[in-house]
Amino acid sequence: EPEVTQTPSHQVTQMGQEVILRCVPISNHLYFYWYRQILGQKVEFLVSFYNNEISEKSEIFDDQFSVERPDGSNFTLKIRSTKLEDSAMYFCASSAKHLSNQPQHFGDGTRLSIL
Amino acid sequence: AQKITQTQPGMFVQEKEAVTLDCTYDTSDQSYGLFWYKQPSSGEMIFLIYQGSYDEQNATEGRYSLNFQKARKSANLVISASQLGDSAMYFCAMREGASYDKVIFGPGTSLSVIP
Repeated sequence: EPEVTQTPSHQVTQMGQEVILRCVPISNHLYFYWYRQILGQKVEFLVSFYNNEISEKSEIFDDQFSVERPDGSNFTLKIRSTKLEDSAMYFCASSAKHLSNQPQHFGDGTRLSIL
Repeated sequence: AQKITQTQPGMFVQEKEAVTLDCTYDTSDQSYGLFWYKQPSSGEMIFLIYQGSYDEQNATEGRYSLNFQKARKSANLVISASQLGDSAMYFCAMREGASYDKVIFGPGTSLSVIP
C-alpha cells in the first residue's frame, strides 16, 4: 500500500541552526500538510499546500517556517533558526482530494530535537 | 473552546473484550468529517476509520466501528475483540466544512490492552 515517507526519522540540531525536514507524499496525492506534536501533547496543524502554494497556515507557522515542493515528489519543511520550543515530532501528510471525507495519510514522522 | 474533546486520558481493557473510546466535537458547519487515528509507541499516525456528517450509517472497518450520534455531537470509537497490538494512543479528529485543509485533533486517549 502506498505510504508517505519522511526523512530523517530523527534530527538533532543546535539552537539557531536551520533544519530541513523532508517528505515524499503518496504519488497521486495533490494536497500536502505539515503537523507537529510536542511530546505528550496533541497534534497541531502547521500548514497546507496545494498547487505550489500555501492554502492555509496556523499561527504557529510564522516567518521562521517555510515549505517547498522543489520537484515532483518531495515536500519539505524548513525552519530557519531553530528554537528549543521547536523540539517536537513533525508529521507530513497528504490526501488525494480536498474534501472533508478524504483522510489525510500521515508519514511516520521526524523527531526533531533542538539542543 | 475545544473543538474535539476526549474525556478519557487513559483506558484499560482486557484482551478479547470490546472497548469504547469517547469523542465529542464542536462545529457549526453542516458538512464535516470525523476521523480516528492510532499512534503506537513507535510514533507513526495510522488512519483507522472515517465518518461523514451526512452519512446515515455508522462507519465500520474490520474490528473498528464508529458510534456516531450527530445530535449529541459524539463519534465514539468501538474496538471489538481487543488485541495486545491495540495498545496505543487514539486520536479523534475533525475536518470542518469551512476549512477543508486542516484536521483538528483531540488530546488523545491512551489505551492499554491487558493479557
